[in-house]
Amino acid sequence: DIVMTQTPLSLSVTPGQPASISCKSSQSLLYSDGKTYFYWYLQKSGQPPQLLIYEVSNRFSGVPDRFSGGGSGTDFTLRISRVEAEDVGVYYCAQSSQLPITFGQGTRLDIK
Amino acid sequence: EVQLLESGGGLVQPGGSLRLSCSASRFTFSIYTMSWVRQAPGKGLEWVSRIRSDGRTDYANSVTGRFAISRDNSKNTLYLQMDNLRAEDTAVYYCAKGHIVGVTVPDSWGQGTRVTVSS
Repeated sequence: DIVMTQTPLSLSVTPGQPASISCKSSQSLLYSDGKTYFYWYLQKSGQPPQLLIYEVSNRFSGVPDRFSGGGSGTDFTLRISRVEAEDVGVYYCAQSSQLPITFGQGTRLDIK
Repeated sequence: EVQLLESGGGLVQPGGSLRLSCSASRFTFSIYTMSWVRQAPGKGLEWVSRIRSDGRTDYANSVTGRFAISRDNSKNTLYLQMDNLRAEDTAVYYCAKGHIVGVTVPDSWGQGTRVTVSS
């Protein structure tokens, strides 16, 4: 199975400041079709996860443009340009380049 | 907006069985890969199983041989038959719709149904 490792596991950010989360995979996520099936989710307290970023860098419908994703191969990053109070929750990376689909262990973001 | 409504969770003894259902609406259910993803109390996300539009299925190693995923496209409903349940199967089980046709990773999730395996 592909292991997804997120860092940091928690971060506390002042509103208006940037934040960054890293996710590293144990194998390259570049698939044979040329796409990289890497995703970011946010799970707010008591809610199911919500998709933020698909295929490394594409924002899902309705996701604010302060969220951006980048990376390639085995190293990926989620950036929030200016953190807002509503961004609090646990962020997960995920891959589906190879079954089983696997998730990172989660990064908890809270507001200072 | 996609709607997914899970049901069927509850308390069951080790070795017992449960059948989860997920009623889908507001999208063309039959053409999407559907998955079950679970989350143990206080833990992260674990993909459990998927069923493609053509009916082919895949499972996590932890549930292979004990769980069976199925779908009824005439009823827009996804199922998860869970047999020989273990304490470690205790979790909230989410029904999830694939992001785009042919892709498994979800873009929409239900609110989840809680399964507790305990004597």
